Amino acid sequence: QVQLVQSGAEVKKPGASVKVSCKASGYTLTDFAIHWVRQAPGQRLEWMGWINFGNINRKYSQKFQGRVTMDTSASTAYMQLSSLRSEDTAVYYCARTLDWGFVFWGQGTLVTVSS
Amino acid sequence: QSALTQPASVSGSPGQSITISCTGTSSDVGGYNYVSWYQQHPGKAPKLIIYEVGNRPSGVSNRFSGSKSGNTASLTISGLQAEDETDYYCSSYTSSDTWVFGGGTKLTVL
Repeated sequence: QVQLVQSGAEVKKPGASVKVSCKASGYTLTDFAIHWVRQAPGQRLEWMGWINFGNINRKYSQKFQGRVTMDTSASTAYMQLSSLRSEDTAVYYCARTLDWGFVFWGQGTLVTVSS
Repeated sequence: QSALTQPASVSGSPGQSITISCTGTSSDVGGYNYVSWYQQHPGKAPKLIIYEVGNRPSGVSNRFSGSKSGNTASLTISGLQAEDETDYYCSSYTSSDTWVFGGGTKLTVL
């Protein structure tokens, strides 16, 4: 069965970077992109971007251009966000589509940005 | 890319039907039949309940249905139950090869 398993919670200081991982299994990795979605406390879901395994195509939301980097290695996708500020405190999810809907989700990784 | 517009809250009594709207533009909701809806309970990952405007994934109750007219998509929940009380989000693929979510709607079952 499809599984997306994310890395654990992180606490970072303002200005630092964070790298969250998402290990995928249970399907042919090159058939589907991995998307990253975040949710600040009490706020809406926010799409950040996607990356493909294999040909390493990627697309970022304009909001995060210049601050986010997505990459893959073996069966793991990574999302790195730099120049962190308090507003980046959020749960970060990786997700995979099926039939144009995000049907598979990781368990979420809480990133806290605090001095 | 601005968020899709959803009402902040809707409410209904048990057994009634409610509809949540999701308004975008011709570059997202109006341009593609790739609108999806998610149910999210507190502290949990979102759950897909509608994909491609009006299709239900296996295992999702047929009390949930979706539709679209122009730049506005809608989620209807019929036969409201207490367990339906939570947050709902719409999402759409866009002409920029990106995705966008709505602002979210809190459903209260009175």
